[in-house]
Amino acid sequence: EPEVTQTPSHQVTQMGQEVILRCVPISNHLYFYWYRQILGQKVEFLVSFYNNEISEKSEIFDDQFSVERPDGSNFTLKIRSTKLEDSAMYFCASGETYTWGNTIYFGEGSWLTVV
Amino acid sequence: AQSVTQLDSHVSVSEGTPVLLRCNYSSSYSPSLFWYVQHPNKGLQLLLKYTSAATLVKGINGFEAEFKKSETSFHLTKPSAHMSDAAEYFCVVSGKAAGNKLTFGGGTRVLVKP
Repeated sequence: EPEVTQTPSHQVTQMGQEVILRCVPISNHLYFYWYRQILGQKVEFLVSFYNNEISEKSEIFDDQFSVERPDGSNFTLKIRSTKLEDSAMYFCASGETYTWGNTIYFGEGSWLTVV
Repeated sequence: AQSVTQLDSHVSVSEGTPVLLRCNYSSSYSPSLFWYVQHPNKGLQLLLKYTSAATLVKGINGFEAEFKKSETSFHLTKPSAHMSDAAEYFCVVSGKAAGNKLTFGGGTRVLVKP
């Protein structure tokens, strides 16, 4: 069964450093997402991406964050200058369409620890 | 606006006994509802989804959920728990007004005792 893959599975970085989290969505999907879960909190939406541009972003997704689809397969989340509060599990997800009710498939997540 | 409340943060059951995970939602528009499961060190896997067809939805691994609009609930059940059901379960809502953005509940961690 096709799946969303994410790398790295775990990354430790120093505060202020740049981090890039990588994702390979399911190959025929057109819509891509990042969600995150801070330890002990709910999974929350960060951003959705379609046709090489952001479709929607949450209040969390400020200027420190950016997303990119640099080639036909990868989808990345960059955090320019990490803060302690960016420590979380980051989930990449993809979907075939943006239709209400369409299934979104998630990757296994990337644990980011900022020290 | 939409929101999801999972009424139990932890549920403990004995193997072979029924499982009930409770979920209430709030949505301004007709919701689409999902249950996802996350096993340790694994990603979020879709168990089942409701999108305005039959109110009783059957999913994988013997799970099912019933959409009750009058109670704004979407509880997840399984007649007989298996050790492999130990995981965290998330109730998720997507409303038409929110595009396909998902709103998650807080999760319910299920412990299955032998």
